[in-house]
Amino acid sequence: DAKTTQPPSMDCAEGRAANLPCNHSTISGNEYVYWYRQIHSQGPQYIIHGLKNNETNEMASLIITEDRKSSTLILPHATLRDTAVYYCIVRVPRYNNNDMRFGAGTRLTVKP
Amino acid sequence: GAVVSQHPSRVICKSGTSVKIECRSLDFQATTMFWYRQFPKQSLMLMATSNEGSKATYEQGVEKDKFLINHASLTLSTLTVTSAHPEDSSFYICSAALAGGSDTQYFGPGTRLTVL
Repeated sequence: DAKTTQPPSMDCAEGRAANLPCNHSTISGNEYVYWYRQIHSQGPQYIIHGLKNNETNEMASLIITEDRKSSTLILPHATLRDTAVYYCIVRVPRYNNNDMRFGAGTRLTVKP
Repeated sequence: GAVVSQHPSRVICKSGTSVKIECRSLDFQATTMFWYRQFPKQSLMLMATSNEGSKATYEQGVEKDKFLINHASLTLSTLTVTSAHPEDSSFYICSAALAGGSDTQYFGPGTRLTVL
């Protein structure tokens, strides 16, 4: 699975959009981009995933560049409860062997 | 949908005892579940892959005789930490995959193990 690079930490003002970048320059054609977040002392929470098209759900938007070498997770109106570590993971979905390999992630702090 | 539960959420035990942690997929079947461990201020580290009806696959450096995994049904996997020691104190998290095109994985809330 391709490796990812994320900034170790970011701050965001409450109510503003939080844009979290992820570089995955070695991504292969059949690898998906997944985003999870982990709030302190909880299990990771699935946010969104995509292959090549931009995706949006009730939690966030995922923007993937045309060459697929990077992506951005957008939380449109960050709240204090969005403070968490955000993980970008790139992998090929394999049902019987689809463990998630977590990097260090980005620690997002939403400030009042 | 796609809810994974763990029990207990927190356990404190004496050194030398064994502790069992349950992981359940509440609204879907999972032939494969995964067990992770997370030490303070570190990321999740995969310990083992639990396969229903067969032996678990352990990551390098994880002792299979110490961390016993049983995946007895399509909705339940258990992790038993045998002869626990203080260095086994950690946050243990399981996950289960929702079969489908992207095989999104859903995580349990975690179990905080403290070995005295």
